[in-house]
Amino acid sequence: GNSVTQMEGPVTLSEEAFLTINCTYTATGYPSLFWYVQYPGEGLQLLLKATKADDKGSNKGFEATYRKETTSFHLEKGSVQVSDSAVYFCALRRGGGSYIPTFGRGTSLIVHP
Amino acid sequence: EAQVTQNPRYLITVTGKKLTVTCSQNMNHEYMSWYRQDPGLGLRQIYYSMNVEVTDKGDVPEGYKVSRKEKRNFPLILESPSPNQTSLYFCASSLSSLAGGPQETQYFGPGTRLLVL
Repeated sequence: GNSVTQMEGPVTLSEEAFLTINCTYTATGYPSLFWYVQYPGEGLQLLLKATKADDKGSNKGFEATYRKETTSFHLEKGSVQVSDSAVYFCALRRGGGSYIPTFGRGTSLIVHP
Repeated sequence: EAQVTQNPRYLITVTGKKLTVTCSQNMNHEYMSWYRQDPGLGLRQIYYSMNVEVTDKGDVPEGYKVSRKEKRNFPLILESPSPNQTSLYFCASSLSSLAGGPQETQYFGPGTRLLVL
């Protein structure tokens, strides 16, 4: 079956540090890949997505590249801010009639001033 | 404003007392779904609906029911809640169930925190 594995958190960084949150997946075919962000007390929001190999999703300074050869979709940001503190979820959705997305367990990011 | 709303936001109940959590979206989305979020487990899909009167089980449907009589509403029903259903619940919607394009982006409600004693 499908699965998504994210690095365990919390990830604690100082403001302006470089961020990487690792995500690897297992799925047949060519799934769409997503990063969602959940701020405290809120629902999830789509941060970025990629739908085919070598696509790069980007938004708000965050980037992730769909790497089929390593089945990875790592999230990166060059300089984090305190306001980026949140829980980040990697997810996939397989096409071809599959309607159930698979989410990772989430990685908490804490950014200190 | 385009949004997904859920009610109630917080609920404390007792074992066996039937409850309904409502979900409504104003974006004319076809696809709606319910998730539960538990520490260390991420989000798991309970049920989904591809359109009016079309629903199907997700990964963890046991103990839950849903209905989709109107396009905008997708209530989650717990006929006989048990303590293991204590969780944070999210409703989500997307334009369609088709994969690979902007129409598959899900919009989430703010969540309903349920405690079953």
